[in-house]
Amino acid sequence: AQSVSQHNHHVILSEAASLELGCNYSYGGTVNLFWYVQYPGQHLQLLLKYFSGDPLVKGIKGFEAEFIKSKFSFNLRKPSVQWSDTAEYFCAVNNNAGNMLTFGGGTRLMVKP
Amino acid sequence: DGGITQSPKYLFRKEGQNVTLSCEQNLNHDAMYWYRQDPGQGLRLIYYSQIVNDFQKGDIAEGYSVSREKKESFPLTVTSAQKNPTAFYLCASSIAGTKNIQYFGAGTRLSVL
Repeated sequence: AQSVSQHNHHVILSEAASLELGCNYSYGGTVNLFWYVQYPGQHLQLLLKYFSGDPLVKGIKGFEAEFIKSKFSFNLRKPSVQWSDTAEYFCAVNNNAGNMLTFGGGTRLMVKP
Repeated sequence: DGGITQSPKYLFRKEGQNVTLSCEQNLNHDAMYWYRQDPGQGLRLIYYSQIVNDFQKGDIAEGYSVSREKKESFPLTVTSAQKNPTAFYLCASSIAGTKNIQYFGAGTRLSVL
């Protein structure tokens, strides 16, 4: 069975700091990769996705993620965070054989103004 | 206004009681999902349905039941057999296929009295 690991459970940053959230998955075949974000009091929503092609994908609000196949990783990055980025971030994977997603445990990001 | 509606927002269950969480979507999606969200554990799949009158167990189906009599509706019943029901429950829907993006409702928070 596939699994997804997010190693940082809680991250606290000051505004303008750079962000990198780790995501590793365990599945050797073709995968589709997602980052979802849950802002306080809001629906879980898609931040960005990778299906194929350029391994560096850009999402909403200045976020990007890089797929490194050899490392089974899909880390999320943002050069300069804002207070409004305070949220919980979830990495998710499906294995291209079904449409079920496996989610990581989530990372709570707090950005101090 | 298209989307996924979950109700109620908050629900309380007494010992030995079955409770039903509602999920309705008007996105014309074929697939629907129920997840349970616990702190630090991400989202875990309870049940999913890819077509009307058909559904499959997810990773943590014990103590839960579902039905899919209509395309737009996928209610979840938390039975008395579920010994630890306190959690945040999220419903999602998507088009069929592996490169789907799941869209989420606002969630129902279930607590035990």
